[in-house]
Amino acid sequence: QVTLRESGPALVKPTQTLTLTCTFSGFSLSTSGMSVTWIRQPPGKALEWLGRIDWEDNKYYSTSLKPRLTISKDTSKNQVVLTMTYMEPVDTATYYCARIFFTVTNHAFDSWGQGTLVTVSS
Amino acid sequence: QSALTQPASVSGSPGQAITISCTGTSTDVGGYNYVSWYQQHPDKAPKLIIFDVSNRPSGVSNRFSGSKSGNTASLTISGLQAEDEADYYCSSFTSSITVVFGGGTKVTVL
Repeated sequence: QVTLRESGPALVKPTQTLTLTCTFSGFSLSTSGMSVTWIRQPPGKALEWLGRIDWEDNKYYSTSLKPRLTISKDTSKNQVVLTMTYMEPVDTATYYCARIFFTVTNHAFDSWGQGTLVTVSS
Repeated sequence: QSALTQPASVSGSPGQAITISCTGTSTDVGGYNYVSWYQQHPDKAPKLIIFDVSNRPSGVSNRFSGSKSGNTASLTISGLQAEDEADYYCSSFTSSITVVFGGGTKVTVL
């Protein structure tokens, strides 16, 4: 059974750096075709793709947010970490991590974490 | 990368069929058969219901079907049920090796 769970601070101050961890089970990020993606959703708004990391440690980021984002992985711990610098109130959102298994569902996110709400406020 | 265009809301009566459109460009929807659809109930994580334009993951009802013509993809829900009331999002792989989502469509069962 594939599970993902996001963890990190619920509240960050403007200009601070956000660090979120996605801990997963039921698959390995060293398996060919495997990838973990970060997606966010401001309250009442649409989903926004942030970036992903794949089994070969390739990383891809949203064009608009690329300067602020870093995604890394610790395969031995089954974790993927998202770092977003210079947080602003507009970054308030529920942040999700999700899995892609390219050999099965190509660029679709077949399993999602429950999401973690991050509020940016002083 | 601009968001894909979806209608804000679609409604239908139980048993009816409804269709949600998702319009992009030749650099995303029109250029690849990597369109996916997600169902999201309130305060829940999205759930994959269609991938690669028209494929259903195991366990997803065959009342959900997908298609694509040019730069527009579509999700059809047939035999509409009360449990189908939710938000629906399309997504597509893009030529920038990113993914873009639609703005979401709220489905109401009358």
